[in-house]
Amino acid sequence: KAGVTQTPRYLIKTRGQQVTLSCSPISGHRSVSWYQQTPGQGLQFLFEYFSETQRNKGNFPGRFSGRQFSNSRSEMNVSTLELGDSALYLCASSLSPGQGSYEQYFGPGTRLTVT
Amino acid sequence: AQRVTQPEKLLSVFKGAPVELKCNYSYSGSPELFWYVQYSRQRLQLLLRHISRESIKGFTADLNKGETSFHLKKPFAQEEDSAMYYCALLNRDDKIIFGKGTRLHILP
Repeated sequence: KAGVTQTPRYLIKTRGQQVTLSCSPISGHRSVSWYQQTPGQGLQFLFEYFSETQRNKGNFPGRFSGRQFSNSRSEMNVSTLELGDSALYLCASSLSPGQGSYEQYFGPGTRLTVT
Repeated sequence: AQRVTQPEKLLSVFKGAPVELKCNYSYSGSPELFWYVQYSRQRLQLLLRHISRESIKGFTADLNKGETSFHLKKPFAQEEDSAMYYCALLNRDDKIIFGKGTRLHILP
């Protein structure tokens, strides 16, 4: 069974621009979570989607948003990029919602560099 | 404040020696705790969770509520254990909080 895929794998953007990252979960998985990983802050939870609805949200500004489609694929968007948004963005999928209930399977990540 | 602390950024251990990766947490209530692992060039993956009370790849972790710790242990280190290890806590809002990770380096 194919794993979680994320596109693109690498991205370079300029301050002020916006970016959209994509995540395709494992077939049959309906929950998708997003995380930001930086050297300074480590891994931080962004949000979780289930059945096209945002189920949970971390402590990030409104510039960070996401959505989930009927096929469970998810996108996250960051508007008005700042230098501090440079990070590895990880997506994880699981069968059902609840980050503790079911095992999450992680994607390879999208490395975003903001210049 | 809810926090997960992994005091060691890097831990070097000789092959065959015991391993202990430390994790301390700050949380009011009964936490659900996990260890995640990321091997070189591989994806982050769940290693074990405290509610399962299982041993995975020879690793165990016991929740000590008195010391608010969830240390990961293995009696005899193997070279393939070299990886980045993250301790994580699930809070009552169903949000996962990760520690900053410890890089385990097994010396031959």
